[in-house]
Amino acid sequence: DQQVKQNSPSLSVQEGRISILNCDYTNSMFDYFLWYKKYPAEGPTFLISISSIKDKNEDGRFTVFLNKSAKHLSLHIVPSQPGDSAVYFCAASAGPSDMRFGAGTRLTVKP
Amino acid sequence: KAGVTQTPRYLIKTRGQQVTLSCSPISGHRSVSWYQQTPGQGLQFLFEYFSETQRNKGNFPGRFSGRQFSNSRSEMNVSTLELGDSALYLCASSQGQGYTEAFFGQGTRLTVV
Repeated sequence: DQQVKQNSPSLSVQEGRISILNCDYTNSMFDYFLWYKKYPAEGPTFLISISSIKDKNEDGRFTVFLNKSAKHLSLHIVPSQPGDSAVYFCAASAGPSDMRFGAGTRLTVKP
Repeated sequence: KAGVTQTPRYLIKTRGQQVTLSCSPISGHRSVSWYQQTPGQGLQFLFEYFSETQRNKGNFPGRFSGRQFSNSRSEMNVSTLELGDSALYLCASSQGQGYTEAFFGQGTRLTVV
């Protein structure tokens, strides 16, 4: 049961431009959302999070937007850098014991 | 502060065998979650333990089991291995109370032949 969906398996952008990664969820009980980045041969690393009481959270070049009515969140990376090339996972949680992940989007930033 | 440690890093097993994977969480973290990662499927949630109790479980068959010890270290066991169990198994630790991010280990790459 894919409660968290990332419908784009891959995304390619030019260095300096904006990267927008999208995520949809089906479970209305989810109230905390996270993005993780994963390089090959490493575990995922936490990037940014947002709780359901907010609709935007910024951290440097990374901004996460949450649209609760559409059950949709997105991660914006501005400006994109080659070092951002990785697989990005969206995650959603309904409590501290339950975090569900999407299938991931492979981002390639071209110099 | 040491990160999440998973052992072994790589494992090759034969169909029908069983396997045990280990995870040592970050010091002070009481929650350990296990995930299976396969190409195209993302991270599939296996189960979560907090203070030696399983609090949540994903949709995996009973061949997949786990436990947590009093020092928060966790093990997961897969019995009667199948070819489809070949995957990267990731463990994540967190404080386990309230909403906080989870920290992942590097994973154990299991290959079933």
